[in-house]
Amino acid sequence: DQQVKQNSPSLSVQEGRISILNCDYTNSMFDYFLWYKKYPAEGPTFLISISSIKDKNEDGRFTVFLNKSAKHLSLHIVPSQPGDSAVYFCAASFFGNQFYFGTGTSLTVIP
Amino acid sequence: DAEITQSPRHKITETGRQVTLACHQTWNHNNMFWYRQDLGHGLRLIHYSYGVQDTNKGEVSDGYSVSRSNTEDLPLTLESAASSQTSVYFCASSEVLAGKETQYFGPGTRLLVL
Repeated sequence: DQQVKQNSPSLSVQEGRISILNCDYTNSMFDYFLWYKKYPAEGPTFLISISSIKDKNEDGRFTVFLNKSAKHLSLHIVPSQPGDSAVYFCAASFFGNQFYFGTGTSLTVIP
Repeated sequence: DAEITQSPRHKITETGRQVTLACHQTWNHNNMFWYRQDLGHGLRLIHYSYGVQDTNKGEVSDGYSVSRSNTEDLPLTLESAASSQTSVYFCASSEVLAGKETQYFGPGTRLLVL
């Protein structure tokens, strides 16, 4: 059973606009969440993370929001750039246990 | 620079053959992981290790084995390759800072089992 879900397989956004990628989880024990970015033929690279004690974490153009009551997190990219085109995976873990990954969302930023 | 490497990057094998995928990291991380990535499933954990001589089964461990004889390497062995094991395999290692763990991935090995 998929404990971390990304229900949108793909997303297209115009350059300069906001990209919003969503992730839902089912296990309320998760206390740490991460986003990874993956280009074709490369391994995933860490992008940003958030602890369950926070509801927002920002790093440059990337912001992650966590809504614990809804078991939902989102990644905002503002402004979107063509180099942001990639597959984005969300991941969750609890008490230092293994990571659970979503199925990924393919983002295309249109110049 | 410290890094994590995987070899080979591409492999074609036949059903029933034994295959070993190599993973080598120079970060001196204790924790290492093997995942497979398949369309519609994301990244699924195969095996992981928290240190030398330690190995643990993940979500999809059947048909796979690992061994950890040193800190740097965690080879993944497919005992008898099956077509269902055609996939892209990623190795990762992790560090823990301020109580939080971040995993760093290798470039992947694309395996085709005919």
